[in-house]
Amino acid sequence: GAGVSQSPSNKVTEKGKDVELRCDPISGHTALYWYRQSLGQGLEFLIYFQGNSAPDKSGLPSDRFSAERTGGSVSTLTIQRTQQEDSAVYLCASSLAQGIYKFDTEAFFGQGTRLTVV
Amino acid sequence: GIQVEQSPPDLILQEGANSTLRCNFSDSVNNLQWFHQNPWGQLINLFYIPSGTKQNGRLSATTVATERYSLLYISSSQTTDSGVYFCAVERMDSSYKLIFGSGTRLLVRP
Repeated sequence: GAGVSQSPSNKVTEKGKDVELRCDPISGHTALYWYRQSLGQGLEFLIYFQGNSAPDKSGLPSDRFSAERTGGSVSTLTIQRTQQEDSAVYLCASSLAQGIYKFDTEAFFGQGTRLTVV
Repeated sequence: GIQVEQSPPDLILQEGANSTLRCNFSDSVNNLQWFHQNPWGQLINLFYIPSGTKQNGRLSATTVATERYSLLYISSSQTTDSGVYFCAVERMDSSYKLIFGSGTRLLVRP
């Protein structure tokens, strides 16, 4: 597509339920990133994919968080047994960065998914 | 890890005024980007500028990589410039992730 697309735009869920957030990166972009932004705060890195593999999962806050990417394209971020502190905007970005001999490139963000846990 | 500091944290301008936002970083970087987060939360790419100077309309940016800082200039500010400006850097190692500063919150009054 023309830009990074995320769905849903908004999600309200009950505490303890599982949620899935989806990201469609820009076509041809091999790198994909998930970030989280709490109200009035900066962006917190969660996980990075190169193709379908995730060489950097260092930002996932707990084992309730997981992510996968299939076909080198769409990615899903899953939060199990949601807690109120999980409420935030979850942002996805993609870029052209490839391989270990990476070349510098620009990251583009989607519009985010606003998650509210009640 | 790399530290990214932005200043000032908050800025109020009268429409038409000029301003300079600063981003300091603690390590060598491969990539530096400036973003504008509008009131609807969308992150808009302003500049991809690991070094040198770029201009786009009323905005320009300069990164001095050897001294580990970048500046974003806004001239003749407009109310639509309001929002949060983020600087983000990618460290010069095998890491690909962008590390964000805490942002500068700008309010332009009519």
